[in-house]
Amino acid sequence: DSGVTQTPKHLITATGQRVTLRCSPRSGDLSVYWYQQSLDQGLQFLIQYYNGEERAKGNILERFSAQQFPDLHSELNLSSLELGDSALYFCASSVADGGWTTDTQYFGPGTRLTVL
Amino acid sequence: DAKTTQPTSMDCAEGRAANLPCNHSTISGNEYVYWYRQIHSQGPQYIIHGLKNNETNEMASLIITEDRKSSTLILPHATLRDTAVYYCIVSPNTDKLIFGTGTRLQVFP
Repeated sequence: DSGVTQTPKHLITATGQRVTLRCSPRSGDLSVYWYQQSLDQGLQFLIQYYNGEERAKGNILERFSAQQFPDLHSELNLSSLELGDSALYFCASSVADGGWTTDTQYFGPGTRLTVL
Repeated sequence: DAKTTQPTSMDCAEGRAANLPCNHSTISGNEYVYWYRQIHSQGPQYIIHGLKNNETNEMASLIITEDRKSSTLILPHATLRDTAVYYCIVSPNTDKLIFGTGTRLQVFP
């Protein structure tokens, strides 16, 4: 158990819908990272928040957005869902902003999203 | 794009050492070598990292060649629970880790 929690574990929805994935980082961690893992794309970095502020962006679509709240939990919002958005979505957390070489990322168990 | 090359898959007998190679010929002087693994569809798990010296922790050992163009992750006594996909990543820090396709290690009885 990494200490990172994600809800829900599974989510099934239809095309065109909007969903929200939730992540609670390890106690004391200030950074939250979101990753998408699909069969054809592998594990892709989406976005990072540090202490409530967006710090880094990866291959995140405009239909996707995220935020980190004052209590440091984070939500990833996916809208206008398409079949290709079906994937595992992982959240990770780390103590600092990722600029340290020893700032290990701890991953949550993931949310499996299925778009029908 | 991932800056590393790893074999697609490897097998290892339980109890034997598993040696997972990684080529990173374009590694920069300030980049570290990180290893993570992913068991089935669980979240990736940090294993070890190093710059140029060999490193060892409770999970594994990391051997980096003198020219830093390649490295080997060693699981000294592989168990069935070590069956996973192992990712070798080079990065100056832990920001925006770029995962490649990794090596699928199968440990057999």
